[in-house]
Amino acid sequence: KNEVEQSPQNLTAQEGEFITINCSYSVGISALHWLQQHPGGGIVSLFMLSSGKKKHGRLIATINIQEKHSSLHITASHPRDSAVYICAVNFGNEKLTFGTGTRLTIIP
Amino acid sequence: KAGVTQTPRYLIKTRGQQVTLSCSPISGHRSVSWYQQTPGQGLQFLFEYFSETQRNKGNFPGRFSGRQFSNSRSEMNVSTLELGDSALYLCASSLGAGGLTYEQYFGPGTRLTVT
Repeated sequence: KNEVEQSPQNLTAQEGEFITINCSYSVGISALHWLQQHPGGGIVSLFMLSSGKKKHGRLIATINIQEKHSSLHITASHPRDSAVYICAVNFGNEKLTFGTGTRLTIIP
Repeated sequence: KAGVTQTPRYLIKTRGQQVTLSCSPISGHRSVSWYQQTPGQGLQFLFEYFSETQRNKGNFPGRFSGRQFSNSRSEMNVSTLELGDSALYLCASSLGAGGLTYEQYFGPGTRLTVT
């Protein structure tokens, strides 16, 4: 069965802390997406990965194909990073399967 | 370049009615995907259209349907609305076919409430 698991479900941290959100999936994939959703519903695509590592500003995404695991890191976290982060996987059937999301709260 | 637009943004309907939601993709994007987001089920894939053809469909009943026009704009229709259809409906566009292996650009969503 194609499944996506995210952890933690909720994460509260102080401003400036290094944040890690994890995503594991059950079988081989074509691509993995990290999405950010702010209150109000709008979703922004942060990264799309099929291997290796990508970096954009303070955000870093990595994927380990052998271990079927991806991580999203935020360096020097800021209150504006508070959002729900969602991992979504394309298992090769061209349908995205979503994780349940990680609600991140950064306290000033 | 203008982003993905969805209309209407908010909608209240009664059980048994039908509803049509619209999505205009980013100029040049030919793939449009639709998603449903509810507190209980999270985000779920509804269907994807590319060049006016439905390429994939998620596990939703036949009451959920869609189409894509020659200008890549897409509509989704839900007939015989049920209370459980209350959700945020999101569309996303991307450049290529098998659009889900391309970066997805999401619209702001349509929040549907069924009473």
